[in-house]
Parts: sequence; C-alpha cells; structure tokens
Amino acid sequence: AQTVTQSQPEMSVQEAETVTLSCTYDTSENNYYLFWYKQPPSRQMILVIRQEAYKQQNATENRFSVNFQKAAKSFSLKISDSQLGDTAMYFCAFMTHSGGSNYKLTFGKGTLLTVNP
Amino acid sequence: DTAVSQTPKYLVTQMGNDKSIKCEQNLGHDTMYWYKQDSKKFLKIMFSYNNKELIINETVPNRFSPKSPDKAHLNLHINSLELGDSAVYFCASSKSTGNNQPQHFGDGTRLSIL
Repeated sequence: AQTVTQSQPEMSVQEAETVTLSCTYDTSENNYYLFWYKQPPSRQMILVIRQEAYKQQNATENRFSVNFQKAAKSFSLKISDSQLGDTAMYFCAFMTHSGGSNYKLTFGKGTLLTVNP
Repeated sequence: DTAVSQTPKYLVTQMGNDKSIKCEQNLGHDTMYWYKQDSKKFLKIMFSYNNKELIINETVPNRFSPKSPDKAHLNLHINSLELGDSAVYFCASSKSTGNNQPQHFGDGTRLSIL
C-alpha cells in the first residue's frame, strides 16, 4: 500500500521566521508527483506546491520550497518569512496509481501550523 | 468566477434522511472527484469520474451514489443518512486522470447529522 506520513501533528513558528514541515511516503513507482496543500480556517484546500519525482531540482513557489529526497522518500516543505496568513493545516499528498491510467491523491494526516505574532 | 463550486456549504439534517450535494466546475476539466474529510481532518477519496464515467470507487457504502450529468457536474446523493456520515465533503477537478494533474478543490460542504 502506498502511504503518506506526516509525523508532526502540530507546529508553531514566530512571524518572519522559517519553518519546515516533514513528509515521508512509501511507493514502488518510479515516476510520480507529490503535492503540498494548505487548508486555512476558511476550509478551502489550496495547492501550495508540487514536485515531479524525475526532476532533481527542488520546486519553489515564492516563500515556499521543498526539499525532495527521492532515495529517502522524503518531501518536506519549507516556509520562509512566515506570515500570519500561513496559519493553516498543511497536507502532504501523493498521486497514487488506482488502476489503468487512473490516479488518486493520497493524503497525509496533516500538520497544523500556527504562526505567532 | 469560482472554479469549483459546491452547494450547499452547510447541511444539517436528521438521521435517516436523503440529501444531495451539488458540484460544478468551470475549468473545462475532464475529471472530477469527491473526498470526505472526517472530524480528525483526514481526507480520503470516495469517487472519481472522467468524462461522466465512474473510474474510482473507494469502498464507499451503497447509500452514496454519485451522478455526473455532464463532465462539468458531479453530484453526490446520500440515502438513509447515518451519524457517521457527518463530515466535510470536498469536490475537486483536474484536467485529466494523469498523475501529473493537480486537483482543484471546492470550498467543501459541512454535513451534520442530528
């Protein structure tokens, strides 16, 4: 079974500082995609960043970047210059094969990040 | 200009009732999904449709019946609601079924069973 593990249920960081959220996954596939989604208190699910497994370069989106270690099956999210609006639940997700040419997102249990003023 | 819209946002009803949640996307995507988020915030896929055809059914009780009248709509009908059905239900869509396609989510429907 393909799984996604987020070992930090909750984290907090001071405004303007940097925080890293961890994620590990398990798969036997070679080419796959990983995602981080953010769910603020408003309940929306917002795509933050995605990484293609065959690309060695780590993805970045403004203040958000990943540290992708394929051999270790690790996909951590780094948030630089944390802002109050970054307070949210963060979900790591892995696109897993679901038969034929179909794929589904498998989510980790989430990390609740609180940014303190 | 909402991309994926679900209605209603909140649904409070009695055990045993039948209810529906509607979802529409205006992104021109071919694939749509229903996810359930439980009280511990865990998200799990329920169904996926591609061009109106069911492609993923994740061991969901028969009381849940998705319907896709066209590829822009995917509705979820639930019969004989039970207490355990209380959750937030998310609709999502993606351009296609490929593993590189990010999914765009609606704002969720919070279903509360009394």
